[in-house]
Amino acid sequence: EIVLTQSPATLSLSPGERATLSCRASQSVSSYLAWYQQKPGQAPRLLIYDASNRATGIPARFSGSGSGTDFTLTISSLEPEDFAVYYCQQSDNWPPYTFGQGTKLEIK
Amino acid sequence: EVQLVESGGGLVKPGGSLRLSCAASGFSFSTYNMNWVRQAPGKGLEWVSYISSATSYIYYADSVRGRFTISRDNAKNSLYLQMNSLRAEDTAVYYCARVLYDSSANYNHWYFDLWGRGTLVTVSS
Repeated sequence: EIVLTQSPATLSLSPGERATLSCRASQSVSSYLAWYQQKPGQAPRLLIYDASNRATGIPARFSGSGSGTDFTLTISSLEPEDFAVYYCQQSDNWPPYTFGQGTKLEIK
Repeated sequence: EVQLVESGGGLVKPGGSLRLSCAASGFSFSTYNMNWVRQAPGKGLEWVSYISSATSYIYYADSVRGRFTISRDNAKNSLYLQMNSLRAEDTAVYYCARVLYDSSANYNHWYFDLWGRGTLVTVSS
């Protein structure tokens, strides 16, 4: 089973700042990695798939990069609605699909 | 409207059973591969089970294999999860989730592009 480790666990930033979230895989997942956003009381929302492709309707301030074992989600300029928990998920080697433990992006 | 709506959650005693349903609307349900994903209170996401569009392939997480059964009825646009021998650690919000499918290329991207709002299952005496 591929283990995904996200860092940091919590990231405290202000609106307008740039956010950089990391996801590291225990073995190569090629580019088969996605990012999700989850707000309290809501279902997760797909943001990025195949490491760098934005899902339908996702604003351009969200971007993904990386391949192999190291991946990054970047939010170029934080909007108030971006403060949430973010998860990465791999689909290179499944079952099982695996998720990272999440990064909480909070307002500073 | 394209949506998934789960139902069937509730409070059940350890060892008990529950059947979750997920009603799909606004898209061609029979074309899509589907999953159940759960989230324990205050915790992260855990994939539970997968079923292919024509029920040819079914997979389970080790934590539920032998106790849970996934199924679907394409005529009713519905996905199901039969949960038996429930344990306290099965307490979670259960989401149904659709696999991202590129119809123009007839290609599945193995990520979850549509989620329901979830249904809460609480296993407690």
